[in-house]
Amino acid sequence: SQTIHQWPATLVQPVGSPLSLECTVEGTSNPNLYWYRQAAGRGLQLLFYSVGIGQISSEVPQNLSASRPQDRQFILSSKKLLLSDSGFYLCAWSLRWGPDTQYFGPGTRLTVL
Amino acid sequence: GQQLNQSPQSMFIQEGEDVSMNCTSSSIFNTWLWYKQDPGEGPVLLIALYKAGELTSNGRLTAQFGITRKDSFLNISASIPSDVGIYFCAGFSNSGYALNFGKGTSLLVTP
Repeated sequence: SQTIHQWPATLVQPVGSPLSLECTVEGTSNPNLYWYRQAAGRGLQLLFYSVGIGQISSEVPQNLSASRPQDRQFILSSKKLLLSDSGFYLCAWSLRWGPDTQYFGPGTRLTVL
Repeated sequence: GQQLNQSPQSMFIQEGEDVSMNCTSSSIFNTWLWYKQDPGEGPVLLIALYKAGELTSNGRLTAQFGITRKDSFLNISASIPSDVGIYFCAGFSNSGYALNFGKGTSLLVTP
């Protein structure tokens, strides 16, 4: 069966510091991968998606970037965090691109102080 | 993305009661998904619907894909305290590739 992991579970970072969040998927090959941000426990906002290694699409302009160095690894980064980057970051995967069920990871709670 | 209207925003019920919530869109959808999210965790898929009129159950949960293809419903029968959480509807419209989410229904169940 497939499983999705996110690391770390929680993170407190000062403004201006760098960020690296990791997402890995097990039990499947060539998944479609997604990064979402959830503010205040509601409303998931799609940030990035990837259909393959090295292929990243951004949904909203922001202070963040994403990379996919390996088939089942998706990384969310920032060079300098802003206060507004605080939130709950969720990684998800799907088998097919487009209308297909997405399965979410456990999330990373990021607090920028 | 498409805006999904999910209602009610919150519900406060007693254990044993039935629960109904719904989600509507302004455009036609070809897939509806229902997720449950516990505090501090990622959303967990409850039910997936792929055809208009489809009615699918998962234990005490039943969801339906509306025949207009612009709405979906989730019912929970005989609620129990562990049903507490936020329930999200999500779906794909015919014109887009992104998964659109409702703002969630917060469910509280008292023993």
